[in-house]
Amino acid sequence: DTGVSQDPRHKITKRGQNVTFRCDPISEHNRLYWYRQTLGQGPEFLTYFQNEAQLEKSRLLSDRFSAERPKGSFSTLEIQRTEQGDSAMYLCASSFSGQGGEGETQYFGPGTRLLVL
Amino acid sequence: ELKVEQNPLFLSMQEEKNYTIYCNYSTTSDRLYWYRQDPGKSLESLFVLLSNGAVKQEGRLMASLDTKARLSTLHITAAVHDLSATYFCAETGDNNNDMRFGAGTRLTVKP
Repeated sequence: DTGVSQDPRHKITKRGQNVTFRCDPISEHNRLYWYRQTLGQGPEFLTYFQNEAQLEKSRLLSDRFSAERPKGSFSTLEIQRTEQGDSAMYLCASSFSGQGGEGETQYFGPGTRLLVL
Repeated sequence: ELKVEQNPLFLSMQEEKNYTIYCNYSTTSDRLYWYRQDPGKSLESLFVLLSNGAVKQEGRLMASLDTKARLSTLHITAAVHDLSATYFCAETGDNNNDMRFGAGTRLTVKP
């Protein structure tokens, strides 16, 4: 098990372009989360999936953001018409729901750092 | 509104000194998480506290949870330089879904 992986690790784009990030969770985990973290702040929740179902979305997730987890495994986060304010670290985490206790700890990937020029 | 408040936000310590980071949260959640983040890196899980009175220790770090006071503490004993990092507490609220983080405590341990 190699943990949660994210791709790309860094992305520089021009304002108005679309970007897509990928997250591969720990293989047996059924929950997958997306967070955004700006410099000097804690991560902010964006959305999460249980298997392929998107169960909750934050108000931070504007209509320019869309996330999918088509087969309940990897997930993608797309940002359309990027704005400079979208510049941040985008973190993915996964967990296994159902074990209870420490089994529901969220494990984080290395993140994708986005810079919108 | 769900709130998680940490203090202090910045902490500069000398090696071998002790200190405590405080985390106050607003929900009735009975689970609280502590993470460590090194600069430019992702978050590493340190502790999961699952009930009132829970105490966990790993090396020079000890975390505790008081659900009645909605307070968790992270105590650092005899700090060493390797502990320099940002420490976040987080709770999942009553729905145990999304995780709400504090702003983080940036710890610097100086020789």
